[in-house]
Amino acid sequence: GENVEQHPSTLSVQEGDSAVIKCTYSDSASNYFPWYKQELGKRPQLIIDIRSNVGEKKDQRIAVTLNKTAKHFSLHITETQPEDSAVYFCAASRYSTLTFGKGTMLLVSP
Amino acid sequence: GAVVSQHPSWVICKSGTSVKIECRSLDFQATTMFWYRQFPKQSLMLMATSNEGSKATYEQGVEKDKFLINHASLTLSTLTVTSAHPEDSSFYICSATNPDTDITGELFFGEGSRLTVL
Repeated sequence: GENVEQHPSTLSVQEGDSAVIKCTYSDSASNYFPWYKQELGKRPQLIIDIRSNVGEKKDQRIAVTLNKTAKHFSLHITETQPEDSAVYFCAASRYSTLTFGKGTMLLVSP
Repeated sequence: GAVVSQHPSWVICKSGTSVKIECRSLDFQATTMFWYRQFPKQSLMLMATSNEGSKATYEQGVEKDKFLINHASLTLSTLTVTSAHPEDSSFYICSATNPDTDITGELFFGEGSRLTVL
C-alpha cells in the first residue's frame, strides 16, 4: 500500500517568514495530493491540492509543488501569520483512498 | 461544494457500552464513505471504507466486530463502537467524496466525534 512520509514534525517560524513542509510517497500510481490544515479538535480543512498532471499550483500565500519522478511534493507558505499556526497534513491518493502523512505542527510567533 | 455532517460531536460513555456515530452527506449522494480515527497529536488513520449496500472494507488491524459500520443509504453511514473501553477514546472522523463533481476524489470531512470512554 501507499506510504507517506512528512517532514518536519514541528516547525517554528517568525511572523512574515516562509514555511516549507515536505512529503514523499511510495506508490507511483497515486495521482492526487491534497494538503489539509487542522486546528485542535476540528475537522481537517483542504487548503490546496495538486493532481499528477501538474507540477505546481499557487493560491495566494500558499503553493504546492510536485515532483513525480522523485515522488515528493511540498507545501510552501509565504508571509506567515499567527493564524497559520495549526497542524498540516499531506496526503496521497489513488481512487479516493487517502493516505496521510504524520503531520507537521506549525507555530508562527508574532 | 459538498457538506458532510457528523453526529454527535462529542460523547462520553461508560466502559462496556456501545456508541453509535452518524455521518451524513447533506447535499450529495455518497456511494463511498471513509472512517478515520485520530489519537491526540497523531495523524488520521483510515479504519474502514464504507460502501452503500455492501459490507465495509476494514484496514488491517481494525476489528470489524468491534467497529460496526453500516452504510444503508446513499446519504448515511454509521459507526458503532461496541463494548467500548478507555483505549477506544479517540477522535473519529468520517469523510466522503462527491462522485458528481470529482473524479480523483477530493474528500469532504465531517466535523468529527470525540469519544471518551470512562
